[in-house]
Amino acid sequence: DQQVKQNSPSLSVQEGRISILNCDYTNSMFDYFLWYKKYPAEGPTFLISISSIKDKNEDGRFTVFLNKSAKHLSLHIVPSQPGDSAVYFCAASEVNSGYELNFGKGTSLLVTP
Amino acid sequence: EAGVVQSPRYKIIEKKQPVAFWCNPISGHNTLYWYRQNLGQGPELLIRYENEEAVDDSQLPKDRFSAERLKGVDSTLKIQPAELGDSAVYLCASRQVETQYFGPGTRLLVL
Repeated sequence: DQQVKQNSPSLSVQEGRISILNCDYTNSMFDYFLWYKKYPAEGPTFLISISSIKDKNEDGRFTVFLNKSAKHLSLHIVPSQPGDSAVYFCAASEVNSGYELNFGKGTSLLVTP
Repeated sequence: EAGVVQSPRYKIIEKKQPVAFWCNPISGHNTLYWYRQNLGQGPELLIRYENEEAVDDSQLPKDRFSAERLKGVDSTLKIQPAELGDSAVYLCASRQVETQYFGPGTRLLVL
């Protein structure tokens, strides 16, 4: 039972443009959401997070938006750079479960020059 | 600050053999997690430790998997005997407040 879904397996964007990665979840008890970036042969690297009490969090070129009523979050990367090419995982957790992460299957982002 | 350390990075074994993975979390992080990641999937939780106590091992296949965190710091995950389907990346993570930080993982191939 996949509680976190990333419906786009891959995304290709030109350098300098905006990348938008989407994520949907089904469990309304989730109260903390994270994005991780993963390069081949490395572990996931924490990128940005958002609490359920917020609807937006920004860190440099990365912004995460949360729509609780739609159970949807998105990651915006502006401007996209070739070094952003990686697999991006959306994850959700709840404090009552010790912040155990439920991951989507990932979206592979390719930023072309 | 040093990150989560895992060893070995790669392991190739024959089926029915035992294998063990080691993890040292970020200093001061009391919560430690083991995840398994299959190809094309996101990581899936195996076990969560709060200090030395395994507080959630519901996803750990207990017939062949075991884990320990004796002094509440580093942890070992063991598989005995390994099966072909155990081929995956085994990730260790530790948590500060709400955020988990992952190690590089151990890539296991069972032949």
